[in-house]
Parts: sequence; structure tokens; C-alpha cells
Amino acid sequence: SYVLTQPPSVSVAPGKTARITCGGNNIGSKSVHWYQQKPGQAPVLVIYYDSDRPSGIPERFSGSNSGNTATLTISRVEAGDEADYYCQVWDSSSDSVVFGGGTKLTVL
Amino acid sequence: EVQLVESGGGLVKPGGSLRLSCAASGFTFSSYSMNWVRQAPGKGLEWVSSISSSSSYIYYADSVKGRFTISRDNAKNSLYLQMNSLRAEDTAVYYCANSGTLLGAFDIWGQGTMVTVSS
Repeated sequence: SYVLTQPPSVSVAPGKTARITCGGNNIGSKSVHWYQQKPGQAPVLVIYYDSDRPSGIPERFSGSNSGNTATLTISRVEAGDEADYYCQVWDSSSDSVVFGGGTKLTVL
Repeated sequence: EVQLVESGGGLVKPGGSLRLSCAASGFTFSSYSMNWVRQAPGKGLEWVSSISSSSSYIYYADSVKGRFTISRDNAKNSLYLQMNSLRAEDTAVYYCANSGTLLGAFDIWGQGTMVTVSS
């Protein structure tokens, strides 16, 4: 089955740029979606189809996808961005949804 | 307001059954694929099952295949998950979420309902 690999944690200072990676075999050929989840809350979609932002999501959130790595980039990080972030794809070879293990973003 | 509200969670013994429901409002339910995702305490998100808008396509994670059944009633704007032969490892918060297509992103999520499998 298809596996998505995320770093368990990423730390960044306020105002800096955070990059959260999602690795998978030829992930660049798939559509990647990203979710933010704060403690005790349901996940929220922040990036869909690699790089599109839903309405209401700040422009500071952006995404890219190429080769074996997809990346969620958060510019000018704020304290309120501290959360767990998950990448997700549809794996057509197994007809299943796959989530990455999640990355905890800490704002120093 | 677009909303998904799960219900039906609770405490059940190993081997028991439970039926979760998800009530949708604020969008054309019959036009969307629907999904169940769970999250064990302190763990990450795990996809459980997906169903297309007309129920023509249904998919399950290997971990629940043969034990769980997803269904929907478009007339009632409702999604269901029948869970049988429950195990301790099924203990989790269960979320329902919609998506434009089976391949699409999960746009809207419910608040979740807790399922605890314990003797």
C-alpha cells in the first residue's frame, strides 16, 4: 500500500517560514491535500489539489508537489498556526485514501 | 451554514456493534461523496471508508473491511457507518467529511463522535 512520510515535528520562530514535507513514491503524479488540526478540534482543509487554497485560508499558506515530495509552506508564521498538519492523497492502485502520519508544528 | 453532525458513538464491548450517523445540512448532500475518518487517542488520522454520491462506489480501509458498512440516504441527508465485531483498536473519534469527488479533498468535517471499545 502507498505510504506518505511526514516529519514528526517542525519548529519555527514567529515571522519565519515553516516548510512541512510529505514524501511518497512519485507523489508528484498524485493530487495532495493538506489539513490543519488544532487540539480538541476537527481537521480543517488548508490546501487542496497541491496548491489551491479554500476560501478563508490566509495567503500565507501555500503548497507545491513534485517528484517524491509535496510541501506545505507557511509564511510569516504566527502563534495561531501551531497545530498538527496532515497530508492526504487518493491511491488509485488500492482505491484508498492515505494520510501521512502528521507533523506537529511548534511556534517557538 | 454548511454543517455535518455525527452521533451514535459510545461505549461498547469487544465483539459488539454500533451504528454511527452523520446529518448533513447547508449543502446539496446528494452531490457529494462522503467519508469516515477516525483518530485514535493521541494518534493521527486514519481513513475508514468512502462512498460516492449515488452509492455506486464504496471503499474501505483493510483494517475495517468485512466488519464495517458505509451507507447513505440522500433523501434524509444522512450518512451511516454500521460497525460490527468491534475491537479495542477501533477505539477512536470518528469524523464524517464530505468531498467533491472520491479523489477530492475533504472539505467539511463534523465535530466527531467518540467510540470506545472496552470490556
